Amino acid sequence: GESVGLHLPTLSVQEGDNSIINCAYSNSASDYFIWYKQESGKGPQFIIDIRSNMDKRQGQRVTVLLNKTVKHLSLQIAATQPGDSAVYFCAEIISSGTYKYIFGTGTRLKVLA
Amino acid sequence: KAGVTQTPRYLIKTRGQQVTLSCSPISGHRSVSWYQQTPGQGLQFLFEYFSETQRNKGNFPGRFSGRQFSNSRSEMNVSTLELGDSALYLCASSLISGKLYEQYFGPGTRLTVT
Repeated sequence: GESVGLHLPTLSVQEGDNSIINCAYSNSASDYFIWYKQESGKGPQFIIDIRSNMDKRQGQRVTVLLNKTVKHLSLQIAATQPGDSAVYFCAEIISSGTYKYIFGTGTRLKVLA
Repeated sequence: KAGVTQTPRYLIKTRGQQVTLSCSPISGHRSVSWYQQTPGQGLQFLFEYFSETQRNKGNFPGRFSGRQFSNSRSEMNVSTLELGDSALYLCASSLISGKLYEQYFGPGTRLTVT
């Protein structure tokens, strides 16, 4: 299938360990953020979102942290599994007026058995 | 429920040609958005159609155009292809316009311009 992001930064994590993937966003007016997972040959898949009035949001095995002071977003994956191997990227959305979307280029997560 | 389908999956075109890509949304979804994905730029939003009307547009030249039909299927056209148009083109569908968290992506069309 198609390979996405041939030259992306790679994070290698041992199976069972926690993973932390970071994203610096660009626009202080962004009021909504999403993390996506993209497996080889597939389209992006929504993982979790967070609004700018929140600092933290938890899902199943995933947590997103938002630091608006330094415009930083992180995705934490607990007990990383082989199926978590993929490219992860963030999106920032400005929803005032016409929506504006800015996507990060992503990080490749490799889970080592 | 069938997912978003895109045709063709792979395409090779020559500079100066034009190309049309097709996207069939999930049944019942009325919003279709198109994106371009390249290793250097990541994912970039092209445009969104909802009920046959363009609702939002990204920052791409007029060579990139789209349309949506009454059955919600959408097509994207790129005229006068350039080498830099080589990319994975993704479409995504959702029930409601502008809600990225509700979007389901297709597998993409890999366009190579030579």
